[in-house]
Amino acid sequence: QKEVEQDPGPLSVPEGAIVSLNCTYSNSAFQYFMWYRQYSRKGPELLMYTYSSGNKEDGRFTAQVDKSSKYISLFIRDSQPSDSATYLCAMSAGDDKIIFGKGTRLHILP
Amino acid sequence: GAGVSQSPSNKVTEKGKDVELRCDPISGHTALYWYRQSLGQGLEFLIYFQGNSAPDKSGLPSDRFSAERTGGSVSTLTIQRTQQEDSAVYLCASSFLDRGDIQYFGAGTRLSVL
Repeated sequence: QKEVEQDPGPLSVPEGAIVSLNCTYSNSAFQYFMWYRQYSRKGPELLMYTYSSGNKEDGRFTAQVDKSSKYISLFIRDSQPSDSATYLCAMSAGDDKIIFGKGTRLHILP
Repeated sequence: GAGVSQSPSNKVTEKGKDVELRCDPISGHTALYWYRQSLGQGLEFLIYFQGNSAPDKSGLPSDRFSAERTGGSVSTLTIQRTQQEDSAVYLCASSFLDRGDIQYFGAGTRLSVL
């Protein structure tokens, strides 16, 4: 079993829909959970950062962490065509090493 | 500079040649990371620097790969005798020493080995 599992997609949704992106993981030592967004031919950029379990909201984005289920989610409300990108989940046990998911390609259809 | 800078942005080389990829981290970031991203794959960790030393080289795929960092700033990733399977995007990231969970990435170098 890989440390981090993420459905590669592609995921296509109409503009304005709610998007749900998910990752599962196996290492119970992970304490820090991140979502990165990567546009084509660009480097990943940090979108959301969460420590331990719970929810975090930032504008149209909500990150959820359920450590008991080893499951994290990113929700995008009122999705826009500019949200079309690859979204990578990432996790760390606090040892300066980040394990990334393979990324989910998201297409928002105008 | 304002962000992590990588050069060249694209590199096409012939099989068997050596290549050097450069990374300029964000000023003040003492930690520097190299990753490789292949088509349809996630980010594969290669090597990590704290200052000029590399405590974790576990991700380097073979002895053809090496990296160095000088002056606690610029880093160079060298691939000797390139192979076609080395074709990928090589990404560099930097962070503050105690915040390795928050990394800032450059745009990457797209390497194509013919």
